Amino acid sequence: NAGVMQNPRHLVRRRGQEARLRCSPMKGHSHVYWYRQLPEEGLKFMVYLQKENIIDESGMPKERFSAEFPKEGPSILRIQQVVRGDSAAYFCASSSTGVVTDTQYFGPGTRLTVL
Amino acid sequence: QKEVEQDPGPLSVPEGAIVSLNCTYSNSAFQYFMWYRQYSRKGPELLMYTYSSGNKEDGRFTAQVDKSSKYISLFIRDSQPSDSATYLCAMDPGSARQLTFGSGTQLTVLP
Repeated sequence: NAGVMQNPRHLVRRRGQEARLRCSPMKGHSHVYWYRQLPEEGLKFMVYLQKENIIDESGMPKERFSAEFPKEGPSILRIQQVVRGDSAAYFCASSSTGVVTDTQYFGPGTRLTVL
Repeated sequence: QKEVEQDPGPLSVPEGAIVSLNCTYSNSAFQYFMWYRQYSRKGPELLMYTYSSGNKEDGRFTAQVDKSSKYISLFIRDSQPSDSATYLCAMDPGSARQLTFGSGTQLTVLP
């Protein structure tokens, strides 16, 4: 039973390019969460999605960032026109339901470096 | 002021020691409290989960929550070198599915 999968594990982009980060939740999970971890800081919530719906995007920057979780396929976190400040580790988590007591299982993360 | 404060360490202890890790928080709406362990270059892994105030024990790990003081702790007994990792506290008000994390404490258990 595979856990949460993220790819790529490492991504290098130049300023102004687009970054696409993919997350495949655990089998049977339909709730996905994205977090960002800056150096020396804890994880910061970005967005919570269910299949085809954005439930909570209160942690998402208003510009350049978007997320989706289509009916088929992985969840995608998209960053347009990347800047150096976007360099961070991006973690995806999934849960089987949206109940607060349901554990969020984390993937290994995608480390984005913006040159 | 951050919503959740956690001493970043680093903390080094000899094998077999009792380790105490702590977090304080300011948001009284937090109802659910978690401890995650994160090995270098890996994703966080849930260790302990507690609802409201009280203690919870699981093997060598004990989690304590004191909501009146807005203070939570994780104790590790008989610490092992394999416990060397960064420990993150996380909290959830229950009304939203977004965890608020501390910055993590880096622990090294020396053999």
